[in-house]
Amino acid sequence: GQNIDQPTEMTATEGAIVQINCTYQTSGFNGLFWYQQHAGEAPTFLSYNVLDGLEEKGRFSSFLSRSKGYSYLLLKELQMKDSASYLCAVRDRQYGGATNKLIFGTGTLLAVQP
Amino acid sequence: DADVTQTPRNRITKTGKRIMLECSQTKGHDRMYWYRQDPGLGLRLIYYSFDVKDINKGEISDGYSVSRQAQAKFSLSLESAIPNQTALYFCATSDRQNSNQPQHFGDGTRLSIL
Repeated sequence: GQNIDQPTEMTATEGAIVQINCTYQTSGFNGLFWYQQHAGEAPTFLSYNVLDGLEEKGRFSSFLSRSKGYSYLLLKELQMKDSASYLCAVRDRQYGGATNKLIFGTGTLLAVQP
Repeated sequence: DADVTQTPRNRITKTGKRIMLECSQTKGHDRMYWYRQDPGLGLRLIYYSFDVKDINKGEISDGYSVSRQAQAKFSLSLESAIPNQTALYFCATSDRQNSNQPQHFGDGTRLSIL
């Protein structure tokens, strides 16, 4: 089966850096996505990793280690608007490698404080 | 205008009623999905469709049905609604030609069954 774990909640200070971890267990890993979701709104895409290493996009970076079943999302220079849930989602080849079906974690609710 | 449009945005109804949630997209994507989101459970896949004549069950399809009327339209029905179907429902789309691209979500339908 599949299992994705993320911390339920995190708190950080405006201007600081925060790292949100995600661990996963899948039978056929085929890519990992991070989404941001503000309360009551649609999830929006942040980053995608399929190979080991760091992907950087402005203030946001995402890291993947396939051997450890581990990813993190790094948010720098935190702003109040970054307060949201961050969803880790894994594509599993068990469902067919090119089908783009995702398994979502339950999300990490980040609160940015002044 | 939104690329993925869900109607209605909010709905309150009674147990036993038939309900249809509609999703339309202007992105030209061939793949469409219905998810529900519950507190603490994350996004769970109900049904998905890779083309007009293709319908597939997700992990929680019981009590739901779908119809893919056209490439741009994918509707979700609750034949006889029950209170535990109260949730936030999202439609999403993705592009087969770019399987590494993310799913794009509509703004959601908040459904309450009394």
